[in-house]
Amino acid sequence: LAKTTQPISMDSYEGQEVNITCSHNNIATNDYITWYQQFPSQGPRFIIQGYKTKVTNEVASLFIPADRKSSTLSLPRVSLSDTAVYYCLVGVSHDMRFGAGTRLTVKP
Amino acid sequence: GAGVSQSPSNKVTEKGKDVELRCDPISGHTALYWYRQSLGQGLEFLIYFQGNSAPDKSGLPSDRFSAERTGGSVSTLTIQRTQQEDSAVYLCASSFPGQGYSNQPQHFGDGTRLSIL
Repeated sequence: LAKTTQPISMDSYEGQEVNITCSHNNIATNDYITWYQQFPSQGPRFIIQGYKTKVTNEVASLFIPADRKSSTLSLPRVSLSDTAVYYCLVGVSHDMRFGAGTRLTVKP
Repeated sequence: GAGVSQSPSNKVTEKGKDVELRCDPISGHTALYWYRQSLGQGLEFLIYFQGNSAPDKSGLPSDRFSAERTGGSVSTLTIQRTQQEDSAVYLCASSFPGQGYSNQPQHFGDGTRLSIL
C-alpha cells in the first residue's frame, strides 16, 4: 500500500488560493490519487481524483507531475466554509488507506 | 437520492456490553467499507465487503470485532465485550466496484458515535 505524507495543518485567509501537497514516493503504476474533505461530525466527502497531469472540477484542481511521486490539491478562492480536514489517498479501490490528513483553517 | 445511512447516530453503553452498528449503503453499491475514527485522528480501515463476502478483514483490531453483510446491502458491525478504548466514531462507506484498475469514490455516512462508560 502506498504511503502518503501531507502537512498536518495549514492556515489561509478568505479569498486566497490554497495548495496542499501530498508526497507518495512509492506510488504504483496502477494507483490513482484521490482527495477527500471532512467537516466536523460528518463523514469524508470525495473532492477529486486523478491519475496523471491535471484534473479540474467545479470544486478543485489536482496537479500531478510526470513522476507521480507527489500531487497538489488546489482550492481557488477559499471561504470560511472550506475549513476542514483534507485527506490524500493513493491506491486502487479498497487498497487505499486514509492518513492523518491536513487540517485547513480559513480565517476572515 | 438517499445517501449512506448509519444507525444509531449515537450509542452510549457500559464496558463489557455488546453493541451492533448498522449501515445501509447506497442502492446498487456492491462495495462497502467500515472505518473507525478516534477523536482528532484520521480514519482507521476495519473491513471491506464486496457483495456479501469480506475479502479484506485486515483492519479488525481484535476477535471482539466482527461484521456481516446480507443480501448485498445492509451491514452490521458487532463489537463484543466493549472496552473503553473502543470509544470512537464508526464510519461506513459504499461505492460501485472498481472495474479492473479503475477506482470508484467512496460515499460515507455520518457515522455512529460510540461511547463506552
